[in-house]
Amino acid sequence: AQSVAQPEDQVNVAEGNPLTVKCTYSVSGNPYLFWYVQYPNRGLQFLLKYITGDNLVKGSYGFEAEFNKSQTSFHLKKPSALVSDSALYFCAAREGSARQLTFGSGTQLTVLP
Amino acid sequence: DGGITQSPKYLFRKEGQNVTLSCEQNLNHDAMYWYRQDPGQGLRLIYYSQIVNDFQKGDIAEGYSVSREKKESFPLTVTSAQKNPTAFYLCASTLAGGPGEQFFGPGTRLTVL
Repeated sequence: AQSVAQPEDQVNVAEGNPLTVKCTYSVSGNPYLFWYVQYPNRGLQFLLKYITGDNLVKGSYGFEAEFNKSQTSFHLKKPSALVSDSALYFCAAREGSARQLTFGSGTQLTVLP
Repeated sequence: DGGITQSPKYLFRKEGQNVTLSCEQNLNHDAMYWYRQDPGQGLRLIYYSQIVNDFQKGDIAEGYSVSREKKESFPLTVTSAQKNPTAFYLCASTLAGGPGEQFFGPGTRLTVL
């Protein structure tokens, strides 16, 4: 069975500092990994995905994520946080043959001015 | 504009009533999904459909029903059998055979009075 863990319910960071939102996964075979962002009372917006290839994936709004197979992790990063990055972030995963995504419980990111 | 629309944005229901949430997409996506979001619990899959006239139960299908008569439409009915229906409901779609990132609608917030 697939599972995704986001160990931090809340992450606070000062504006201009780098940010990291953690995600670990458990899937059989090669994982397909995704990050989404959700603003209050809105749907989820796709940020980036890892399918294969380079372990560092670049996505929307300056975000990137690093795939680490040995640690089964896919942490989301940004070199310099903005107040407007404050939102709820979800990591998701699926096995190569599966059609359903499994989501983590979400991490609330707050960027302090 | 291409995308996924959900209506209504807010819905109020009296106990014992069935209500239907609308989800329409013009992305020509094959698969569609319904999720329920509760605070601190991430997204839980209710139902999904890979093709017209076929759908499968997700993790929390009890008290819900769906239909898929058209590729573009995947309405969700919340029945009176659903004991705690107050939640934020999200519809998503994806292209079959693709990497699997799902695109989300803006959501419907259902409140039982």
